[in-house]
Amino acid sequence: NAGVTQTPKFQVLKTGQSMTLQCAQDMNHEYMSWYRQDPGMGLRLIHYSVGAGITDQGEVPNGYNVSRSTTEDFPLRLLSAAPSQTSVYFCASRASGGTYEQYFGPGTRLTVT
Amino acid sequence: AQSVTQPDIHITVSEGASLELRCNYSYGATPYLFWYVQSPGQGLQLLLKYFSGDTLVQGIKGFEAEFKRSQSSFNLRKPSVHWSDAAEYFCAVGRNQAGTALIFGKGTTLSVSS
Repeated sequence: NAGVTQTPKFQVLKTGQSMTLQCAQDMNHEYMSWYRQDPGMGLRLIHYSVGAGITDQGEVPNGYNVSRSTTEDFPLRLLSAAPSQTSVYFCASRASGGTYEQYFGPGTRLTVT
Repeated sequence: AQSVTQPDIHITVSEGASLELRCNYSYGATPYLFWYVQSPGQGLQLLLKYFSGDTLVQGIKGFEAEFKRSQSSFNLRKPSVHWSDAAEYFCAVGRNQAGTALIFGKGTTLSVSS
């Protein structure tokens, strides 16, 4: 199986444009989450989901929307991109039981000009 | 609220020397703790995890970490560092008892000198 996949790998947006970062997993994991990584800040949780139809906010949710219509997919939407959203975005998933290990995707590098 | 502190932003260690990276957490109950490593331009790789049992945890690549509840610490150690260990290291704690997501520290960059 492919694990956690993210598309696109790179994206450049102009201020005010909208876009969706895609995240999919084929491990039938209930929990999925989105993080952003900025230099010197570590990874910060944006939104997470504990199952289809259930989402909640993390540490830095402003400017981002999510939905979870299927177990496999957890897209992250930027409705009106701002330069402050320039970052590397990671999606992760894990099963609801077991060892609590999060599986991370390869990341999307987003630049907003 | 849960939080993770990694006091050292950057550490330089000579190749072959021992390594200890510090991590302190704030969490009300028994935490789920993790160490991840990230090489430049790469994704995150799990080194080791703790969620119950033996407080000394062994991981991949010769790393180990010790959970000390009294000190709210989960320090990462390696007895002999290799040049390939140069990377950024992140400590993380489960966001809640279910561990649905993680709270990360800001990371420690490890440089290895020859």
